[in-house]
Amino acid sequence: AQTVTQSQPEMSVQEAETVTLSCTYDTSESDYYLFWYKQPPSRQMILVIRQEAYKQQNATENRFSVNFQKAAKSFSLKISDSQLGDAAMYFCAYRRGETSGSRLTFGEGTQLTVNP
Amino acid sequence: ETGVTQTPRHLVMGMTNKKSLKCEQHLGHNAMYWYKQSAKKPLELMFVYSLEERVENNSVPSRFSPECPNSSHLFLHLHTLQPEDSALYLCASSPGTVGDQETQYFGPGTRLLVL
Repeated sequence: AQTVTQSQPEMSVQEAETVTLSCTYDTSESDYYLFWYKQPPSRQMILVIRQEAYKQQNATENRFSVNFQKAAKSFSLKISDSQLGDAAMYFCAYRRGETSGSRLTFGEGTQLTVNP
Repeated sequence: ETGVTQTPRHLVMGMTNKKSLKCEQHLGHNAMYWYKQSAKKPLELMFVYSLEERVENNSVPSRFSPECPNSSHLFLHLHTLQPEDSALYLCASSPGTVGDQETQYFGPGTRLLVL
């Protein structure tokens, strides 16, 4: 079974600085997708970034980028130039490839605080 | 707000009540999901519907009864719940395809308190 582990229950960062959230996963599959979701205090879960396992290039979305290390099964999220609005719970998630309607396996989450 | 809406946003019910949670997606998706989110725990997938057929039921107690009348609507009928069922219930939808575009989009959730 696939598992996703976020070893940092809480992180904090100063506004305008950079922070990295860690995620590791365990799978025997070669085709899969990885996601970072953000859940602000309003509770709406929002997709931040997605990585296809077959792509070697790390995904980026504006200030958000990932460091995808397939061999190490590591998928960290880097937030650059942190803003107050980045404060939220961040979840790492895994999905098998080639399966429609496939389940997401989530990590436990990392609560990010942004200090002004 | 995304294209997935949920009502009500908050619900308080007694253990003998019957209530329903509603989810509606405006994204043209074919798959819908119910998740339970409890404090300090990963999201727990409860049910998956694809093209209005239930394709996954993760050992959820029968006091939770899902219904998917069409690809845009998903309900979760609740009856004789227990206090430990208090949680945030999240609905999500996805295109229901294979490949890169298969991404889930979430609603705002219903905060449920069972007394």
